[in-house]
Amino acid sequence: GAGVSQSPSNKVTEKGKDVELRCDPISGHTALYWYRQSLGQGLEFLIYFQGNSAPDKSGLPSDRFSAERTGGSVSTLTIQRTQQEDSAVYLCASSLWASSYEQYFGPGTRLTVT
Amino acid sequence: GQQLNQSPQSMFIQEGEDVSMNCTSSSIFNTWLWYKQDPGEGPVLLIALYKAGELTSNGRLTAQFGITRKDSFLNISASIPSDVGIYFCAGQLSGGAQKLVFGQGTRLTINP
Repeated sequence: GAGVSQSPSNKVTEKGKDVELRCDPISGHTALYWYRQSLGQGLEFLIYFQGNSAPDKSGLPSDRFSAERTGGSVSTLTIQRTQQEDSAVYLCASSLWASSYEQYFGPGTRLTVT
Repeated sequence: GQQLNQSPQSMFIQEGEDVSMNCTSSSIFNTWLWYKQDPGEGPVLLIALYKAGELTSNGRLTAQFGITRKDSFLNISASIPSDVGIYFCAGQLSGGAQKLVFGQGTRLTINP
């Protein structure tokens, strides 16, 4: 079966522009997670969805970051007025349900802000 | 925030050698997981541990959930070239938070 997919795989944008990153979780997975990975670093939690609601947004670094999930499936992470420090790989993961900690990751979107 | 201390940060070994890496924390975890990440890819789940003291194997990989619930180790036996990559530990904190906390990773390089 299909794994987690993310698009685009790479995004180069100018400072100040808005970007949207998309995640398609594994079919049937109810929980969805966004992480950020800076070069050579571990994964930094951003936000978690259970269904369409986001019980935990504690990792979003600023109000320029937002995410939504519709139909309990696809999720979009939006970064407004991008800054150079936003450059990173943005990873999406899904799990069968919220209490299952076995998260399956997509390949990530590499964002470069120039 | 909560942190996992993962060591070593990098390892350079000969093919065929055994590898050991670990993660420690001052916090108690309910679950430990180990992931491997290849360049340009997302992390892939290797082993999940759910009980203190649990020892689980997956082929040449063995991981243990420490009895204090504050640490875990991963061993790789008889390393092969495809073991190259970055290994991450991750844990779910006791207290109910759903998110995983990740270690900083161990970069494994193998000399043939």
